[in-house]
Amino acid sequence: AQSVTQLDSQVPVFEEAPVELRCNYSSSVSVYLFWYVQYPNQGLQLLLKYLSGSTLVKGINGFEAEFNKSQTSFHLRKPSVHISDTAEYFCAVSSASGGSYIPTFGRGTSLIVHP
Amino acid sequence: DAGVIQSPRHEVTEMGQEVTLRCKPISGHDYLFWYRQTMMRGLELLIYFNNNVPIDDSGMPEDRFSAKMPNASFSTLKIQPSEPRDSAVYFCASRETGGAGGRGEAFFGQGTRLTVV
Repeated sequence: AQSVTQLDSQVPVFEEAPVELRCNYSSSVSVYLFWYVQYPNQGLQLLLKYLSGSTLVKGINGFEAEFNKSQTSFHLRKPSVHISDTAEYFCAVSSASGGSYIPTFGRGTSLIVHP
Repeated sequence: DAGVIQSPRHEVTEMGQEVTLRCKPISGHDYLFWYRQTMMRGLELLIYFNNNVPIDDSGMPEDRFSAKMPNASFSTLKIQPSEPRDSAVYFCASRETGGAGGRGEAFFGQGTRLTVV
């Protein structure tokens, strides 16, 4: 079975400050990892994904994430946040468990950017 | 492509009524997922289809919930009878197997916000 833990339910930060949203996963097989963003009253949009290759993945809107297999983590970072980054962020994992790569989502982290 | 299209965006219904949520996946995508989002439980997978065939419905909470996919471009999620605890945002998502062997991302619709009073 696979699971995702997002360690912080809410992360407040000031504009232009750096931010890190934490994500840990568990799976008994190779994993593929995703970060999605959800703006109010919207669906989920993909920020970035790790399928293979370089463990540092760059996504849209200046976000990046690093896959750390030994620590089973996939933390999301941005060096300088904007007010417009205020949203809910979801980490997701899929694996070959069951053969179908069905994504499992974390509970989400609410990023609140203050002016 | 217009993306995954869900309708309606909002639905308010009375307890006991039948509710049908609709989804049109992205053309060419062979996987379709139904998720439910609540504050208490987060984003839960209800059921998914592959090539229009239901593969795993173990996330469907009760027999009151049913889902169909009569063709590659349409799916429904039905709740009959509806109850207040069914109030949530329901998302449909689709994905193609393609060259990534199914490891790629799912694309989400805008969701249907269901309120049962």
